[in-house]
Amino acid sequence: DVKVTQSSRYLVKRTGEKVFLECVQDMDHENMFWYRQDPGLGLRLIYFSYDVKMKEKGDIPEGYSVSREKKERFSLILESASTNQTSMYLCATLTEFSGNTIYFGEGSWLTVV
Amino acid sequence: GESVGLHLPTLSVQEGDNSIINCAYSNSASDYFIWYKQESGKGPQFIIDIRSNMDKRQGQRVTVLLNKTVKHLSLQIAATQPGDSAVYFCAENFYGGSQGNLIFGKGTKLSVKP
Repeated sequence: DVKVTQSSRYLVKRTGEKVFLECVQDMDHENMFWYRQDPGLGLRLIYFSYDVKMKEKGDIPEGYSVSREKKERFSLILESASTNQTSMYLCATLTEFSGNTIYFGEGSWLTVV
Repeated sequence: GESVGLHLPTLSVQEGDNSIINCAYSNSASDYFIWYKQESGKGPQFIIDIRSNMDKRQGQRVTVLLNKTVKHLSLQIAATQPGDSAVYFCAENFYGGSQGNLIFGKGTKLSVKP
């Protein structure tokens, strides 16, 4: 089974704080993704990475950055958290075996106060 | 955190009945489709997928139907159980799109009455 682990399930941060969300996958997949999920808006792609040290902007990259120093780990960084970044953040990985099926982690609930 | 099930269309069924959840996809060039289940407070879970060269695929208690003519996808759940209560959403992908970038539907909330 594909395992995508998000280390922080629930976080509360103050406006202006720097926030790190970590994601680790154990399947040696090249492709990893960060989405945010909001009621009524569905899933929106923030950034993705198709290889170590490589990254591509998704649909809503503003206010976020990412880091992929190792193949198994993809980090999402909020340089200066704002209240409109309160959301559920989902990490995902892409398997090659059955087409473009993305597998998700359990999510990180971030509240910015 | 706020439930992702808010503001979604809801399907309410009796335990033991069959459920049908529908999805209209947007891109006629899409060639791969996936259904996900998301329980409250959890990440989306892969259920079943189908390629555009098929019109039906069956799994355990689930069937996906694809109608390319009208760009419609459906998920049928047989003998719905309380554990099936969740938000279900479809995803589409087309060859040549951003690598791994899927287009996700907003979802339907399935509520199973005991």
